[in-house]
Amino acid sequence: QVQLVQSGSELKQPGASVKVSCKASGYTFNSMSLVWVRQAPGQGLQCMGWINTNTGDPVYAQGFTGRFVFSLDTSVSTAYLQINSLKAEDTAVYYCAREIKHLDYWGQGTQVTVSS
Amino acid sequence: QSALTQPASVSGSPGQSITISCTGSTSDIGRYNYVSWYQQHPGNAPKLIIYEVTYRPSAISNRFSGSKSGNTASLTISGLQAEDEADYYCSSFTSTTSTAIFGGGTKVTVL
Repeated sequence: QVQLVQSGSELKQPGASVKVSCKASGYTFNSMSLVWVRQAPGQGLQCMGWINTNTGDPVYAQGFTGRFVFSLDTSVSTAYLQINSLKAEDTAVYYCAREIKHLDYWGQGTQVTVSS
Repeated sequence: QSALTQPASVSGSPGQSITISCTGSTSDIGRYNYVSWYQQHPGNAPKLIIYEVTYRPSAISNRFSGSKSGNTASLTISGLQAEDEADYYCSSFTSTTSTAIFGGGTKVTVL
């Protein structure tokens, strides 16, 4: 069965970096895009963008350029989200999901907390 | 880019039907049939319940149905049940950024 398993919670100081992983299984990894979604505390869902798992090309949504980096390691069917120069407002749950046109499978979410 | 527009809350009694609207623009809902709906219970990841405007994943109850007219999509939940109490989000692919855009979410309360 299709599964997306994300890495565990992170507590980081402002200015640090964090790298969240999303390991896919149960399907051909490079057949569907991987999407990153942010949910701030008590807020709705925001699409951060997606990565083409065939070419490795990322597409970033407005507001998620510069500090945010999507990458892949196809050898282990894993996608990564790196956030640099963390700010308090980056505190959120980050989800990976499969396929940009309709997010049919989701990871369990990774809580990232930015606090001094 | 602006989020799609949903009502903040909708409520209904058990057994009733409710409809949630989702208004976008000619760059997203009006342009593509890639409209999807997600159900999210507190503390859980969102779950896909409708995709490509009207299609349901196999495990989703047929009490959930979707439609679209112009720049507005709708989700109808018929035979409302206590377990339907959750947040619901619409989404569409958008040509503005070639990514997805979400609505602000609608809290469904079963009275």
